[in-house]
Amino acid sequence: GQQVMQIPQYQHVQEGEDFTTYCNSSTTLSNIQWYKQRPGGHPVFLIQLVKSGEVKKQKRLTFQFGEAKKNSSLHITATQTTDVGTYFCAGLDAGGTSYGKLTFGQGTILTVHP
Amino acid sequence: KAGVTQTPRYLIKTRGQQVTLSCSPISGHRSVSWYQQTPGQGLQFLFEYFSETQRNKGNFPGRFSGRQFSNSRSEMNVSTLELGDSALYLCASSPGTAHYGYTFGSGTRLTVV
Repeated sequence: GQQVMQIPQYQHVQEGEDFTTYCNSSTTLSNIQWYKQRPGGHPVFLIQLVKSGEVKKQKRLTFQFGEAKKNSSLHITATQTTDVGTYFCAGLDAGGTSYGKLTFGQGTILTVHP
Repeated sequence: KAGVTQTPRYLIKTRGQQVTLSCSPISGHRSVSWYQQTPGQGLQFLFEYFSETQRNKGNFPGRFSGRQFSNSRSEMNVSTLELGDSALYLCASSPGTAHYGYTFGSGTRLTVV
């Protein structure tokens, strides 16, 4: 079955440093979504990428979807303490029968030291 | 606009019992998905319902089942509980097509003792 690998598992940064997490799928994706989960909270939708090579920005966050639609990355510039949490990528398989079936990466736990 | 509501928030059950969890999606959302979250396995897909029909199912044993009602509210049931079923169960709703993000509820924390 489809697998989504995400690295790194943990990332500790000083406030102001940049942060990047990477996702790689074993199969071609229809789209990839990114979620953030704060400690004790639930996943919150950040963005969805659909097109090959797509790049989207949200303030300090930059999301990329690979040309082959099998990998993606999230980059945060100049981290802040409010960025703390676990960042998940989640892919929808391109097979056409993946209704609602997001395959999540294991997540990257980001801690930011002030 | 109300979010996704899951009840109850916390549950403690004994091995062998059964449990029913409830999810009310965002108004107008017709798709409801269920996920199990554990520290070891992460977020794993259970099933997805759209207009009362199960469209997709994950790799969980038959003890896990669900349904969706005509008002899009959904329930999931776990029978013959095992210790390993202890997890955060999350419900997510979407309008129903592949190109929308999913809105998650706060989850039900199930502890099996």
